[in-house]
Amino acid sequence: GEDVEQSLFLSVREGDSSVINCTYTDSSSTYLYWYKQEPGAGLQLLTYIFSNMDMKQDQRLTVLLNKKDKHLSLRIADTQTGDSAIYFCAGARAGNMLTFGGGTRLMVKP
Amino acid sequence: DVKVTQSSRYLVKRTGEKVFLECVQDMDHENMFWYRQDPGLGLRLIYFSYDVKMKEKGDIPEGYSVSREKKERFSLILESASTNQTSMYLCATITGGSYEQYFGPGTRLTVT
Repeated sequence: GEDVEQSLFLSVREGDSSVINCTYTDSSSTYLYWYKQEPGAGLQLLTYIFSNMDMKQDQRLTVLLNKKDKHLSLRIADTQTGDSAIYFCAGARAGNMLTFGGGTRLMVKP
Repeated sequence: DVKVTQSSRYLVKRTGEKVFLECVQDMDHENMFWYRQDPGLGLRLIYFSYDVKMKEKGDIPEGYSVSREKKERFSLILESASTNQTSMYLCATITGGSYEQYFGPGTRLTVT
């Protein structure tokens, strides 16, 4: 099955950019996703990228996909304290199922 | 807006008890999923269902079963709870052809 890996922790200062990285093994994933989980809450879809795209920008969020290296990243510009959360990358597999990474805890220091 | 609700936010059970976790969605979605979330392991799929009375094993089904008697409701059952089932349980739903899974708020289960 697919493996999706992320670093566990990232700390940045308010106003800086954050870059959260993810690697995956299954090149047949049609969609790749970024979810955000705030404390005590379920997962919220932040953004997604189709596998034939290299980049997607959505306001402060930029997703980069390197299919050759099977590497996905999420860049958050002008990071705010409200961005502190756990971020999960996930790859789609058959039957609408998702394989999730372990999650990266982003801490934003004022 | 899609609404996915779970019966409890926090639950404490004793080893050996039978535990029911309920998930209800209001958008007539065919597909429903149960995940457990553990630190550093992300979300792992326990069971899923494509339709009423249909169920499929996910990646870690051992120790769990499910029930889907109505389209809007998907139940996760721990027949005999064990301490290694202490975890956060998340329900999700998606409609066929869509790209977005909608998640419930989660149930934090502690088995003592």
